[in-house]
Amino acid sequence: ETGVTQTPRHLVMGMTNKKSLKCEQHLGHNAMYWYKQSAKKPLELMFVYSLEERVENNSVPSRFSPECPNSSHLFLHLHTLQPEDSALYLCASSQEAGLPHEKLFFGSGTQLSVL
Amino acid sequence: AQKVTQAQTEISVVEKEDVTLDCVYETRDTTYYLFWYKQPPSGELVFLIRRNSFDEQNEISGRYSWNFQKSTSSFNFTITASQVVDSAVYFCAPSSSNTGKLIFGQGTTLQVKP
Repeated sequence: ETGVTQTPRHLVMGMTNKKSLKCEQHLGHNAMYWYKQSAKKPLELMFVYSLEERVENNSVPSRFSPECPNSSHLFLHLHTLQPEDSALYLCASSQEAGLPHEKLFFGSGTQLSVL
Repeated sequence: AQKVTQAQTEISVVEKEDVTLDCVYETRDTTYYLFWYKQPPSGELVFLIRRNSFDEQNEISGRYSWNFQKSTSSFNFTITASQVVDSAVYFCAPSSSNTGKLIFGQGTTLQVKP
């Protein structure tokens, strides 16, 4: 069983749809993250959760709504997205949040296409 | 301000060649950590190495080695005797002791041809 699992692997949605991305970590970590990876741009940190509490929100539009029901699960709810939101969305986890020496463990990502 | 630069956008080598990936991290922080991650075609980023800014000792681990020079802000990563499976995007990612956040470079796409 891989450490961090993301579903679905691919998602195509219209601008009026509502969908959710799911992430699950089996590493016993306390921190979980959402990153956005667009073509030609560095990875962008979107949200950070520590023990189910959101500790970071990097000016992400409200059409992206994260949810962390427990330390093992993280969701990203999507609604009324724009074509420029098409990207690879990566989930990651680490033992703790906010410590500079922590290494992150990533999932394989969800490739999102907004039509 | 903090800035990480991976000047090489794409590198192509033939199998068994050595290849060095460059990274320059400009910061006023006196303490920080430096990471390299690999992103194969499957998508997930995989942790490779981590160094702290106090330790400039160069190390070798299998086919991987790294050269950190604080004076020039460079943290280069070398793969010896490259293999086709090394084909991936490689990210240099420093983290600030102040914020604990990783700052990812643009990435270098390495293609190893058989």
